[in-house]
Amino acid sequence: DIQMTQSPSSLSASVGDRVTITCRASQSISTYLNWYQQKPGKAPKLLIYTASSLQSGVPSRFSGSGFGTDFTLTISSLQPEDFATYFCQQSYTTPWTFGQGTKAEIK
Amino acid sequence: QVQLQETGPGLVKPSQTLSLTCTVSGGSISSGSYYWSWIRQPAGKGLEWIGRIDTSEGTDYNPSLKGRVTISIDTSRNQFSLKQTSVTAADTAVYYCARDAPGREGYNGYNYYMDVWGKGTTVTVSS
Repeated sequence: DIQMTQSPSSLSASVGDRVTITCRASQSISTYLNWYQQKPGKAPKLLIYTASSLQSGVPSRFSGSGFGTDFTLTISSLQPEDFATYFCQQSYTTPWTFGQGTKAEIK
Repeated sequence: QVQLQETGPGLVKPSQTLSLTCTVSGGSISSGSYYWSWIRQPAGKGLEWIGRIDTSEGTDYNPSLKGRVTISIDTSRNQFSLKQTSVTAADTAVYYCARDAPGREGYNGYNYYMDVWGKGTTVTVSS
């Protein structure tokens, strides 16, 4: 299985901060990488697919980049509704695997 | 727009079979080249993909579940289902169903992403 490792596991930030979350794959996955946001008690929500494509309806402050093994999710100006847990997921080969999650908390 | 809803028992006894159904509304399960996935999440932990099925009944499963899982589809009812045998306390989790959509095609096939999710249903394994 392809292992996905996110860093940091948690972060503390203020409203308006620029935030970057990193995801590393255990082997090259080209751009077969998706990002999700999950709020407590809710299902995950797709933010970014194919490493850098913004899902319809997702605010433009979210962006993704990367290729191969290293990927980033950036929130350009953190908003109160962005405090949540973020997961990366590879779709290069089944079984699909997720990173362990990054929890963004209010500073 | 398409919505998904998981249904099934919230409590299952150890060694028995967990059975869940996902009902698709707002669109046909047969339209488009989608797969239909199951994912689970133990309380306070990360996401684990269980497996998926398409309308041709092609399936992919997570080997970590050691052959205990069967996913089926009923296009006439716009539903797909999960059966997981020999459950233990380790199978206690929130179970989600999701639509697995084909994105851009790359050198390794389509980049699938899960764009529509159900709200999830909690399954507890306990006697």
